[in-house]
Amino acid sequence: RKEVEQDPGPFNVPEGATVAFNCTYSNSASQSFFWYRQDCRKEPKLLMSVYSSGNEDGRFTAQLNRASQYISLLIRDSKLSDSATYLCVVNAGSARQLTFGSGTQLTVLP
Amino acid sequence: DTEVTQTPKHLVMGMTNKKSLKCEQHMGHRAMYWYKQKAKKPPELMFVYSYEKLSINESVPSRFSPECPNSSLLNLHLHALQPEDSALYLCASSQDAGGNYGYTFGSGTRLTVV
Repeated sequence: RKEVEQDPGPFNVPEGATVAFNCTYSNSASQSFFWYRQDCRKEPKLLMSVYSSGNEDGRFTAQLNRASQYISLLIRDSKLSDSATYLCVVNAGSARQLTFGSGTQLTVLP
Repeated sequence: DTEVTQTPKHLVMGMTNKKSLKCEQHMGHRAMYWYKQKAKKPPELMFVYSYEKLSINESVPSRFSPECPNSSLLNLHLHALQPEDSALYLCASSQDAGGNYGYTFGSGTRLTVV
């Protein structure tokens, strides 16, 4: 089983749609969780950290379910500029480093 | 300064060449990383430096040689690479060695080995 698994997509949605991505992780000792965004041929950029209580940043909402070992990202009112690959990233605790999921590709269509 | 700066942005090198990739950060971060990313794949960890000491080497071939001259600089020396080493090489830094606050990535060096 991969340490971090994501649905690779692609997700093609119209502008204004709501889209949700899920990600599962295998290491129950994981402490830190993030969503990164990567545009084509660019570096990954931190979109948001994911906290136990859930957190929201504008149109973006992140949730963590420790019992089921998954995190989610909800994007409301999708914009064309949201088109990118979204990477789920988990810190496996102890001496481990951040582990990246394979990414979910999102295309928002006009 | 909240950036990680990588040079060069693009590099084409022959299989017999020796070249170096450079990375610099002035955020006072104590850990720095090299990642390799192939097209349509997630970044793969190569090396981790924590407090200027190499703490993780993910079984990277010896033709890749990292160096950390000081807490702000990280180099990756390349020698006798293969065409399959062509990729985007990303440098990152973090406040702590565990990445509990996430990583900041540089814009990468796009390497082509011919």
